[in-house]
Amino acid sequence: DQQVKQNSPSLSVQEGRISILNCDYTNSMFDYFLWYKKYPAEGPTFLISISSIKDKNEDGRFTVFLNKSAKHLSLHIVPSQPGDSAVYFCAAQADPYQFYFGTGTSLTVIP
Amino acid sequence: EAGVTQSPTHLIKTRGQQATLRCSPISGHTSVYWYQQALGLGLQFLLWYDEGEERNRGNFPPRFSGRQFPNYSSELNVNALELEDSALYLCACRVSGNTIYFGEGSWLTVV
Repeated sequence: DQQVKQNSPSLSVQEGRISILNCDYTNSMFDYFLWYKKYPAEGPTFLISISSIKDKNEDGRFTVFLNKSAKHLSLHIVPSQPGDSAVYFCAAQADPYQFYFGTGTSLTVIP
Repeated sequence: EAGVTQSPTHLIKTRGQQATLRCSPISGHTSVYWYQQALGLGLQFLLWYDEGEERNRGNFPPRFSGRQFPNYSSELNVNALELEDSALYLCACRVSGNTIYFGEGSWLTVV
């Protein structure tokens, strides 16, 4: 039972444009959400997170939006750079400290 | 401060054998999570240890087991290896309340 879903396995974007990665979840008990970036042959690295009490969190070029009523979150990358090409995983946390991951979206930024 | 460290980086085993993977969390932190990333799939939760105890396990057969030592390092054991166990095994450590940080992973190949 996949509680966190990333329905787009891949996404291609031109350099300088916006990348929007989407994530849906089913469990209304999730109270914290995270995005991780993974390069091939490396472990995932933490990117940005958001608490369920917020609807937006920004960190430089990265912004995460949370729509609790729709059980949907998205990661915006502006402007996209070739170095952003990686697999992005969405994750959700439920008590106590249990983390659930999506299947990932492979982002390719075209120079 | 050293990050999460995993060993070995690569491991090749024959079907039916046992594999042992090791993880050391970030110094001073007690929790260890194990995830499996099989080819084309997301991060599947395997096991969670904290303070030396197993806190939760994912939907994997009993031949996947592990333990956490008094120094909080952890071991993942996979018995009776099957070809489909070939995957990247990731260890993570919870540092702040809601964020986990990953090691570089151990690649297990079963032939």
